[in-house]
Formats: sequence, structure tokens, C-alpha cells
Amino acid sequence: AQKVTQAQTEISVVEKEDVTLDCVYETRDTTYYLFWYKQPPSGELVFLIRRNSFDEQNEISGRYSWNFQKSTSSFNFTITASQVVDSAVYFCALTEIYSGAGSYQLTFGKGTKLSVIP
Amino acid sequence: EAGVTQFPSHSVIEKGQTVTLRCDPISGHDNLYWYRRVMGKEIKFLLHFVKESKQDESGMPNNRFLAERTGGTYSTLKVQPAELEDSGVYFCASSHSENTEAFFGQGTRLTVV
Repeated sequence: AQKVTQAQTEISVVEKEDVTLDCVYETRDTTYYLFWYKQPPSGELVFLIRRNSFDEQNEISGRYSWNFQKSTSSFNFTITASQVVDSAVYFCALTEIYSGAGSYQLTFGKGTKLSVIP
Repeated sequence: EAGVTQFPSHSVIEKGQTVTLRCDPISGHDNLYWYRRVMGKEIKFLLHFVKESKQDESGMPNNRFLAERTGGTYSTLKVQPAELEDSGVYFCASSHSENTEAFFGQGTRLTVV
């Protein structure tokens, strides 16, 4: 069975501070994808990143960076110099990579609500 | 390019009534998914269509839920009869192929009273 744990339910930071959102996952599969989605107040889930289990390189995209460590089953997300527009609920998710036809159903964490205070 | 669109954005119905949610995926996306988030819990997978066929419906909670995707374009999710525990946000997502990222709609917030 798969499981994604986002231990931080809510985080508040002051604008321009750095913040890290934690994600720990469990899976018996050796091949899988990890994702981060952002849910702003408007409600839709916005795709941020997908990382496959073969690639442990960290990734940086502007103020966003992701730290994937298989040894600790973690896929943490850091926002540098946070802004008010970063306020949202952030979800970490996991799916198996099937070799053939299959359903890429996502297993989500409960989400972390980030509030950036001006 | 239009994103995934869901109708309605909100629905309040009485227990025992029927509600139909609609999802219009991104044009050209064969894969369509339904998910649900019940208050305070994780977003849970309901089912997956590939074109008009149900690829995986292992997440459907019971036979009060019926999903269709006639013609392989838009999809509907009908709840009949609705129960209080069906309240939550229903998300639809679509993807071009099974191993590409899924794009989500804004969700339909269903409240059963």
C-alpha cells in the first residue's frame, strides 16, 4: 500500500522568509513518480513538479526547489523568499509507474496550508 | 488552451436527492480521472477513464456513484441517492497519456444536508 504523509498541517511565515514543506512517502514499488501540487484559494490543483524514482537530483525552478532523498523516503519542497501569492494549500502525491497499461492514480497527502503574512 | 472545467462549482442538495457533476477535460486528453476530498481527509482517487472506457474504478465508494464518459469527451459523475457522507470536493483531472502529469479542474464542492 502507498502512503504520503505531510506532517505540517499549517505553516505561517512572514514575507521574504524561506519555508520548507515536508513530504514523506511509503511505497513497496521500486519505480514511482512523486508530485507537488498547489491549491490556491480559487480551488484548482496546479501542477508544480513531477519527479521519477530514478532521478534523485534536486531541482530548482525560480524560488522553488525540491529535495528528493530515497534514503529517507522524502520529497521536500522549499520556497525561498516567500511571497503573499505563495499562500495556498500544497499537496504532495505519489503514483506507481506501470510497465504496461494501468491507472496512474495518485495517492495524496493531507496537504499543508501555507500562509505568507505581509 | 482551456483547462479542465468542472460544473457546477458548488452544489447543495438534500439527502436522498440526485446530483450530477460534469467534467470537461483538456481537448485531446484521453485520460480522465475523478478524485474526491472529504473534509479534513486526503484527496482520494475514484476512477480513471481512457477515452470512454473505465480503466480503473477501484476507488468508487459504492453503487450510488455512477460515472460515464460517453464519446470519450466530457464525463459525468452522478450520485443517487446522495448521503451526508458524500459531502466534499470532487476533482476531475485529465492527462494526454497515462504517464504524463494530470491537470486538475477547480473542483465541485458538494454539500449534502
